[in-house]
Amino acid sequence: DQQVKQNSPSLSVQEGRISILNCDYTNSMFDYFLWYKKYPAEGPTFLISISSIKDKNEDGRFTVFLNKSAKHLSLHIVPSQPGDSAVYFCAASELLQGAQKLVFGQGTRLTINP
Amino acid sequence: DGGITQSPKYLFRKEGQNVTLSCEQNLNHDAMYWYRQDPGQGLRLIYYSQIVNDFQKGDIAEGYSVSREKKESFPLTVTSAQKNPTAFYLCASRRTSGPDTQYFGPGTRLTVL
Repeated sequence: DQQVKQNSPSLSVQEGRISILNCDYTNSMFDYFLWYKKYPAEGPTFLISISSIKDKNEDGRFTVFLNKSAKHLSLHIVPSQPGDSAVYFCAASELLQGAQKLVFGQGTRLTINP
Repeated sequence: DGGITQSPKYLFRKEGQNVTLSCEQNLNHDAMYWYRQDPGQGLRLIYYSQIVNDFQKGDIAEGYSVSREKKESFPLTVTSAQKNPTAFYLCASRRTSGPDTQYFGPGTRLTVL
């Protein structure tokens, strides 16, 4: 049972336009959400996060939106640049017996076209 | 330079052999994690450790073992009992106070022949 889902395996966007990556979750106990960027054969790099008490967090070209009622979050990248081409994972955090556990989506491969 | 190191980057083993993957961090983080990534899938949690000498099973612990004798080190052993050991293995760490962000090492690609 997939608790965190990224329903788009891939997304292609023109350079300079906005990229929107989506993520849905089912567990209402998740209290913190993160986005990671990953290149092939490398470890994921942390991009941006949001606490469940907020609905928006912004860092430069990256903005994450959280809609708790819909159990949906999205990552907006604007303007998109060629270096943004990578796989993006959303992750949701849950505290279980004092330990944080992250549950990851399957990832979305973003390709920025010149 | 603070960070997480995993060695080696690529590892080949014959079927039936145990193999140990190294993970070291100098970030002074208390918690450490091991994940596995398979093609087209997200990361799945194998084991995690909140403090030295203590660790818990994640979602897919069968066929794996860990130890946490030092704060900086969290080695993962892939045993011959693991049915599909070929995968990309990622180690992560996190402070147990402050933001809940986990930081990842560069990963080890294990191929069992």
